[in-house]
Amino acid sequence: DTAVSQTPKYLVTQMGNDKSIKCEQNLGHDTMYWYKQDSKKFLKIMFSYNNKELIINETVPNRFSPKSPDKAHLNLHINSLELGDSAVYFCASSQADRHTGELFFGEGSRLTVL
Amino acid sequence: GQNIDQPTEMTATEGAIVQINCTYQTSGFNGLFWYQQHAGEAPTFLSYNVLDGLEEKGRFSSFLSRSKGYSYLLLKELQMKDSASYLCVLMDSNYQLIWGAGTKLIIKP
Repeated sequence: DTAVSQTPKYLVTQMGNDKSIKCEQNLGHDTMYWYKQDSKKFLKIMFSYNNKELIINETVPNRFSPKSPDKAHLNLHINSLELGDSAVYFCASSQADRHTGELFFGEGSRLTVL
Repeated sequence: GQNIDQPTEMTATEGAIVQINCTYQTSGFNGLFWYQQHAGEAPTFLSYNVLDGLEEKGRFSSFLSRSKGYSYLLLKELQMKDSASYLCVLMDSNYQLIWGAGTKLIIKP
């Protein structure tokens, strides 16, 4: 059973389109995250979310929005896609106990904007 | 602010030992992690250090010196499957993870 799964794994689209990436975790974790990994391989936090608070990285454009229908799901919506949005997007989850910090990652969704 | 430095790339021989160093600067510290990421795959957790000293886990060990802002990951008895990027990750005073760019480790036969 896949612990953290995200779909689609590959997404190719035109500039200006709106797209979504879905994420689900079956680990019973309370906190979920979206990370962006660009061509330079830096992993940058975009959002972290649990049932109490949404923490947004202030550098993330408001074209990006997380939506969580329940604690096992955190979807990423992107409006008006730009070329610079091309990257691999990773979903992750962790226990509410921040002191461990261990994250469990999905396999990534490679977004290519043409 | 925070800053993490680690070598971009290292090469080692199968069966040997390699040490990947990481130095960091931060105003607040709640631990340091090492993650492994194979090309095209997701990062996977390797270790967590919050106190000074060496933590050993099988062929992998991680060391931390908080006063020096320094950590290393030691890989013994290298195998070809150890070829991957190794990411040094800092947890700051707000429990946020700050990711280094990673060290690409190439293992040669």
